[in-house]
Order: sequence, then structure tokens, then C-alpha cells
Amino acid sequence: AQRVTQPEKLLSVFKGAPVELKCNYSYSGSPELFWYVQYSRQRLQLLLRHISRESIKGFTADLNKGETSFHLKKPFAQEEDSAMYYCALSAQGAQKLVFGQGTRLTINP
Amino acid sequence: KAGVTQTPRYLIKTRGQQVTLSCSPISGHRSVSWYQQTPGQGLQFLFEYFSETQRNKGNFPGRFSGRQFSNSRSEMNVSTLELGDSALYLCASSLGQESNQPQHFGDGTRLSIL
Repeated sequence: AQRVTQPEKLLSVFKGAPVELKCNYSYSGSPELFWYVQYSRQRLQLLLRHISRESIKGFTADLNKGETSFHLKKPFAQEEDSAMYYCALSAQGAQKLVFGQGTRLTINP
Repeated sequence: KAGVTQTPRYLIKTRGQQVTLSCSPISGHRSVSWYQQTPGQGLQFLFEYFSETQRNKGNFPGRFSGRQFSNSRSEMNVSTLELGDSALYLCASSLGQESNQPQHFGDGTRLSIL
């Protein structure tokens, strides 16, 4: 079975501090992993995916197959990063996304 | 390009009724997926359609069904509504059926069952 775990429901950091949102997954094959973000009053949108290995809005995420993790990191948090973040997994050959429960990130001024 | 459009935005129904929700994908996108979002269960996959064929189905009762038309627009139907069906229903579209294709979400239809 596929499962995504985001252990922190709430995370609060100060502006300028580093931030790390944790994501662990369970899947026997080679997964496709994504981070989606939902800002206040906006629709759910893709932040980044592991296959593209890029940095979006200063965020990066590295797939660690040994630890089955895909943590999201940013070295210096900004107030506009406050949002709900979802980690999601897609099994090979399928468009079905399995989401974690989400982490609400709050950046304090 | 216009984003994914879902109609209606809000819907109020009573138990036992049925409801149809509509989704227009981004132009050129051929895959449409549906998700249910509730405070308790989070985001859960309902089903996915590609080229008018259901390719994947989540763990929901048969009261939940869907279809896709030749222009890629999709509808989902819920029959014999129950109180627990109250949720935000999200539609997402993507270019193709490959698992690494990102999905683009609509604003959702908020369904309330009285």
C-alpha cells in the first residue's frame, strides 16, 4: 500500500530562519514525489517534484530512497511562505496522487 | 491558458438526493482526476479518467461515479447522498497519463449535505 506521512500538522518559524517540512513515504516501487502548496484563498498548486530537481521560491527537496523521505527545505523563511504544504506520491504508471495530511507553516515576523 | 474550472462552487443537498459536479480541464489536458477533501480524512483520490476511460479508482463506494467526454471535460456523480459526503471535491487535470506529470487543481466544489 502507498502511504505518505507528514508528522507535523503545524510548524511555526521566524522570518529568516531555516525551515524543513518532513515527508516520509511507504511504497515498494519507484515513486514520483511532489510537494503541493495552498496559500490562503488560493487553489492547491504544484510547488516542486523530485524528477525536476529544481529550486522553486527557494525551496528544495531531495528524495532519499534509503530513508524513504522527501523533506522540503528552505534556508531562509519569508512571511509569504506561510501556507499549507502537502507532500504527495504517485505510483509508477498512475496519475493517482496519495497525499499526506499536510503541514500548516506559519512564518512569524 | 485558463485554469481548471469547476462548477458549481457551492452546493447544498439533502440526504438521499443525488448530485453532479462538473470539471473543465486546462485546454490540451487529457487526464482528469477527482479528489475528496475533508478535515478528518484529508485529500483522498476518487478516480482518474484519460481519453474517456476510467484508469484508476479509489476506495469509495459505488455511489460515486464519473465520466469523461470526448472534449476531456469530466463529471462526477454521487447518488443517495449521505451526511458524510459533505466535503470539498477537487478536480485536477494533467497533460498525459504518466505518473510524473504534474496535476493542476481547480478551486473545488464545496458540497454540504443537510
